[in-house]
Amino acid sequence: RKEVEQDPGPFNVPEGATVAFNCTYSNSASQSFFWYRQDCRKEPKLLMSVYSSGNEDGRFTAQLNRASQYISLLIRDSKLSDSATYLCVVNKGNTGKLIFGQGTTLQVKP
Amino acid sequence: GAGVSQSPRYKVTKRGQDVALRCDPISGHVSLYWYRQALGQGPEFLTYFNYEAQQDKSGLPNDRFSAERPEGSISTLTIQRTEQRDSAMYRCASSLVPDRGRGTNEKLFFGSGTQLSVL
Repeated sequence: RKEVEQDPGPFNVPEGATVAFNCTYSNSASQSFFWYRQDCRKEPKLLMSVYSSGNEDGRFTAQLNRASQYISLLIRDSKLSDSATYLCVVNKGNTGKLIFGQGTTLQVKP
Repeated sequence: GAGVSQSPRYKVTKRGQDVALRCDPISGHVSLYWYRQALGQGPEFLTYFNYEAQQDKSGLPNDRFSAERPEGSISTLTIQRTEQRDSAMYRCASSLVPDRGRGTNEKLFFGSGTQLSVL
């Protein structure tokens, strides 16, 4: 089993749609959780950190479910510019090793 | 510079040659990470440093790969006797503070990467 797993997609949605991605992780001792965004052939950039209480940044909402060991990302009112690959990132146990998932590709269509 | 700088941007080498990839992190950043990324995949962890100390090298594929950060700033990833399967994008990232040993990581800033092609 991979340490961090994501559905690679692609997710094809129309503009204005709401889309959700899930990511599961295997180590119950993990403490740090993030969503990164990566545009084609570019470097990954932090989208948002994921906190135990959940957090929201504009149209983006991230949730953490420790019991089931997954994190989620919800994007409301999708824009064409949201088209990218979304990477789930989790640290390994109680270490600083950061593990990336495979990424989920989102295509927002006009 | 303002961001993480990696050089060279592209490296083409022949099988069996050694290569050295350089990463210059953001000034003052304590942690430095190396990842390898294949097309269509997420970054694969190789190793990371806090200051000059290598904290975890469990992701290095074999003993042909090594990394150092002797003065706690610039880092070099060296691949000896390169093979075609080593071809990939190699990415470096830095963060301002270390993980404090309890997995409380900070935001990573990535460089543009080095695209390695082994012929």
